[in-house]
Amino acid sequence: QSVLTQPPSASGTPGQRVTISCSGSSSNIGSNTVNWYQQLPGTAPKLLIYSNNQRPSGVPDRFSGSKSGTSASLAISGLQSEDEADYYCAAWDDSLNGHVVFGGGTKLTVL
Amino acid sequence: QVQLQESGPGLVKPSETLSLTCTVSGGSISSYYWSWIRQPAGKGLEWIGRIYTSGSTNYNPSLKSRVTMSVDTSKNQFSLKLSSVTAADTAVYYCARDVVGASWFDPWGQGTLVTVSS
Repeated sequence: QSVLTQPPSASGTPGQRVTISCSGSSSNIGSNTVNWYQQLPGTAPKLLIYSNNQRPSGVPDRFSGSKSGTSASLAISGLQSEDEADYYCAAWDDSLNGHVVFGGGTKLTVL
Repeated sequence: QVQLQESGPGLVKPSETLSLTCTVSGGSISSYYWSWIRQPAGKGLEWIGRIYTSGSTNYNPSLKSRVTMSVDTSKNQFSLKLSSVTAADTAVYYCARDVVGASWFDPWGQGTLVTVSS
């Protein structure tokens, strides 16, 4: 059971817009920034969004992040086949002397 | 650009201690947080803990009693020790730089599979 809650799966057709939610609590998302990771099959995770809504250099602007209260969302517009991957949210949690918590991951399928 | 490489035994016996080292190249290890994260096959990511270059640490509460992290700035390396391992500790282990100490991991190592088995 992950501290941050994500839907286990999501899907869309090429060109569509898909959103993935990440729900937490006041000790994590409610008081700290959220980061998103993309993990392509057989590879290490890659930073996709940091500080709620910032894209690292090289990440297409089709990817966007937002945060409101104790929830966050990742949106992917103009869905492409290469976006098929697992997506994880993460945040610092202030409880128990502080630690990082991850969502359980969402497997995105491009139909 | 900074690159990370995990190294260590791929097979550890139950009840023994898992030891891994992450070597940082292309930049200094100083003034950053460095984390270990693991992923059992077919499952999600689990943060193990982090160390700052001063030696200050934070560990996952669920693993805290078994985890020890250390850093060697002269070698640009940091290390993980996980004691009393069981089959449940079998996973791909990643090292990563935590840019601001708040789950902002970039870059990551390629990962190393550690299997716990007799």
